[in-house]
Amino acid sequence: EADIYQTPRYLVIGTGKKITLECSQTMGHDKMYWYQQDPGMELHLIHYSYGVNSTEKGDLSSESTVSRIRTEHFPLTLESARPSHTSQYLCASSGGSGDGNNQPQHFGDGTRLSIL
Amino acid sequence: KNQVEQSPQSLIILEGKNCTLQCNYTVSPFSNLRWYKQDTGRGPVSLTIMTFSENTKSNGRYTATLDADTKQSSLHITASQLSDSASYICVVSDRGSTLGRLYFGRGTQLTVWP
Repeated sequence: EADIYQTPRYLVIGTGKKITLECSQTMGHDKMYWYQQDPGMELHLIHYSYGVNSTEKGDLSSESTVSRIRTEHFPLTLESARPSHTSQYLCASSGGSGDGNNQPQHFGDGTRLSIL
Repeated sequence: KNQVEQSPQSLIILEGKNCTLQCNYTVSPFSNLRWYKQDTGRGPVSLTIMTFSENTKSNGRYTATLDADTKQSSLHITASQLSDSASYICVVSDRGSTLGRLYFGRGTQLTVWP
């Protein structure tokens, strides 16, 4: 059973608010990821990190930012939320040495974000 | 263009029946292919990972096959249960970067009726 946690599970908030979505994992994984998923659509990578102090933007342009100060923690922040940010946000991590490409990604249960 | 296509988009079967989900991909260079199960309101959970040299892998009642020549994979579910109702996502990883970029399909929504 993967140990990766996301909070909050659901968030409904007004336009213009600053939001931070939390993601923590207890597996000691170096790689962490944020995905955005809309209903019936594929997951899109918006941010990833190879380790502490490493962050990169993913394939889907996002106005959010991330930080990786500790191995276990990878929060995502929206400085000023807009209705277009309404979506499900999934955090994942993967570990293992060598060819990390063959390691499964462990996902949290997501944050469903609604901006009014 | 690297893509992952899944079929059918949705499927309804009766409890106890078998079913097969399909995945076609154009990702190159290929590293591995993964099948994930995503229950409603939850994150995806890994079922299998297959590399180029593997053409079948099982996980309980789930059996995945891979034909790297035709770039096709299938996920066979045997003796379906109500708890199998979920979205099944095919994911292909390339070898083009250190990260191993993942390409996601849109999933097949499986519903198992009693």
